[in-house]
Amino acid sequence: QQQVKQSPQSLIVQKGGISIINCAYENTAFDYFPWYQQFPGKGPALLIAIRPDVSEKKEGRFTISFNKSAKQFSLHIMDSQPGDSATYFCAARKSSGDKLTFGTGTRLAVRP
Amino acid sequence: DTGVSQDPRHKITKRGQNVTFRCDPISEHNRLYWYRQTLGQGPEFLTYFQNEAQLEKSRLLSDRFSAERPKGSFSTLEIQRTEQGDSAMYLCASQRLADSHEQYFGPGTRLTVT
Repeated sequence: QQQVKQSPQSLIVQKGGISIINCAYENTAFDYFPWYQQFPGKGPALLIAIRPDVSEKKEGRFTISFNKSAKQFSLHIMDSQPGDSATYFCAARKSSGDKLTFGTGTRLAVRP
Repeated sequence: DTGVSQDPRHKITKRGQNVTFRCDPISEHNRLYWYRQTLGQGPEFLTYFQNEAQLEKSRLLSDRFSAERPKGSFSTLEIQRTEQGDSAMYLCASQRLADSHEQYFGPGTRLTVT
């Protein structure tokens, strides 16, 4: 049972464009929603995270939008750069120390 | 380097052999997690420790898998009688409960079973 669904599977964006990745969750007990960035041969690295009491969080070029009623959240990468080319995973967790449940990932390629 | 470290980074083994991986978490991180990631998929939870106590194991963790964290510091993950389906990246993450939600991941151990 896939508790966090992620789309699209892959994404190609021109340099300077906006990359948008979407996730939907099923378990209403989730209360922490991070996004991870992973480069080939490396472990995932936290990019940005949000709690359900806010609808948007912005850090630099990265923004999370959160829709609690729809049980959806998305990552927006503004002014996408070739160095952003990586695989992005959304995740969800039920409490501060609980395991992460990951989406299936989105492979982003930013063309120069 | 004060991040999470894992050893070895790569392991090739023949089917039926036993393998053991090691994870050294960030100092003073009391939570330690093991995840498995197959090609094109997100990491899947295997098990986690709080200090030396193993608090949860996934149904993915068959009887051939065992994990330990004997002194609440480093952890080992052993796979006995490896199968080709065990081929994956094994990721370790650590977290300090007191002040952070963030799990810091290590670089992983890539296991190939031939």
